[in-house]
Amino acid sequence: AQSVTQLGSHVSVSEGALVLLRCNYSSSVPPYLFWYVQYPNQGLQLLLKYTSAATLVKGINGFEAEFKKSETSFHLTKPSAHMSDAAEYFCAGGYQKVTFGTGTKLQVIP
Amino acid sequence: NAGVTQTPKFQVLKTGQSMTLQCAQDMNHEYMSWYRQDPGMGLRLIHYSVGAGITDQGEVPNGYNVSRSTTEDFPLRLLSAAPSQTSVYFCASSYLTGRSAYPDYGYTFGSGTRLTVV
Repeated sequence: AQSVTQLGSHVSVSEGALVLLRCNYSSSVPPYLFWYVQYPNQGLQLLLKYTSAATLVKGINGFEAEFKKSETSFHLTKPSAHMSDAAEYFCAGGYQKVTFGTGTKLQVIP
Repeated sequence: NAGVTQTPKFQVLKTGQSMTLQCAQDMNHEYMSWYRQDPGMGLRLIHYSVGAGITDQGEVPNGYNVSRSTTEDFPLRLLSAAPSQTSVYFCASSYLTGRSAYPDYGYTFGSGTRLTVV
């Protein structure tokens, strides 16, 4: 069965610091990977997606993710955290039948 | 384009009642899915459809029915509501296009339905 694992349910960073949110996927997940962001009481907004065209994917709001097949990872990064980045982030993989990770809540400390 | 429209946005049900959550998309997407979101558990797939007339179960299908009579609509039916079905429900539609080595794939979510079963 396909699975997506997010390491760390809560991550805290200082404003201006590097953001690193970790995501690993099982080898049975097709190479369609996504990161979504969810602000409180809102729906899911697509940050970026990987569809095999390039290993480094740039998304909105300064986020990017690198696909590493050898490590089955698709970690999300942002060089400098902003207060507005505080939200919950979800990694997901697959098509037709998409599997989500359990989410990582990002706290940004001023 | 309206995208994916879910109705209602909020609903309170009594245990044992039945209801249908509506989902409609106007993007002519082949694939549609229903998820439920619970704290600490991410989004879990309930049912999905790869085209009109074709549906399949996801991770947590018990207590829910779906049908896909048209490309546009994918309603989710709760047969006999239980407090364990209190959740936020999201509908999504998606497409896969292109015959190249890197086909494009997109996934669009509705704004969600917050359901409380008392």
